Amino acid sequence: DAGVIQSPRHEVTEMGQEVTLRCKPISGHDYLFWYRQTMMRGLELLIYFNNNVPIDDSGMPEDRFSAKMPNASFSTLKIQPSEPRDSAVYFCASSFDIRDSINGYTFGSGTRLTVV
Amino acid sequence: AQSVTQPDIHITVSEGASLELRCNYSYGATPYLFWYVQSPGQGLQLLLKYFSGDTLVQGIKGFEAEFKRSQSSFNLRKPSVHWSDAAEYFCAVSRGSQGNLIFGKGTKLSVKP
Repeated sequence: DAGVIQSPRHEVTEMGQEVTLRCKPISGHDYLFWYRQTMMRGLELLIYFNNNVPIDDSGMPEDRFSAKMPNASFSTLKIQPSEPRDSAVYFCASSFDIRDSINGYTFGSGTRLTVV
Repeated sequence: AQSVTQPDIHITVSEGASLELRCNYSYGATPYLFWYVQSPGQGLQLLLKYFSGDTLVQGIKGFEAEFKRSQSSFNLRKPSVHWSDAAEYFCAVSRGSQGNLIFGKGTKLSVKP
């Protein structure tokens, strides 16, 4: 398995533009997580899905952020409109179980977003 | 609410020296605890985890961690650090019945030759 695949690896966009981040989880994993990492706040859970259904989106910072999982092999995180304070590294992770007793979460390599 | 504290933001050790990274958690019940490592430009990789049983757990790359309930700690150790261990290390605790992970702010490890 190729692991959790995120695209793009880097994204530079202008303030006000729409940004879409993509994630392909590991096949067979039932849970998918979106995290944001910044120097100031560390790793924050934004939202997670179970069997394609959003379970907890309490970490989504504002209405400008939205996430979807149309099928078991694809998820998107969208920011519209983007702002400079959204600059961060966004990680996607997946697991079999929410407290995966075997492997823990498997993380993608992240998308580094810069909003200028 | 659950929380994880890593009191050391940055630690520098000499290659070959021993290492201990501190982690304290706040959680009412028996926690599920994890250590992850993040190399520059990479995602997080699981080093080890504790769910129950033996309080000393072994992980990959020669790391181990000890769960101490009385101190609410789960410190990560390695007897002899290698230059390739330079990275950022994150402690995490599972979040109650939902179980999703809460991460500490991380400790950046630098290794001197």
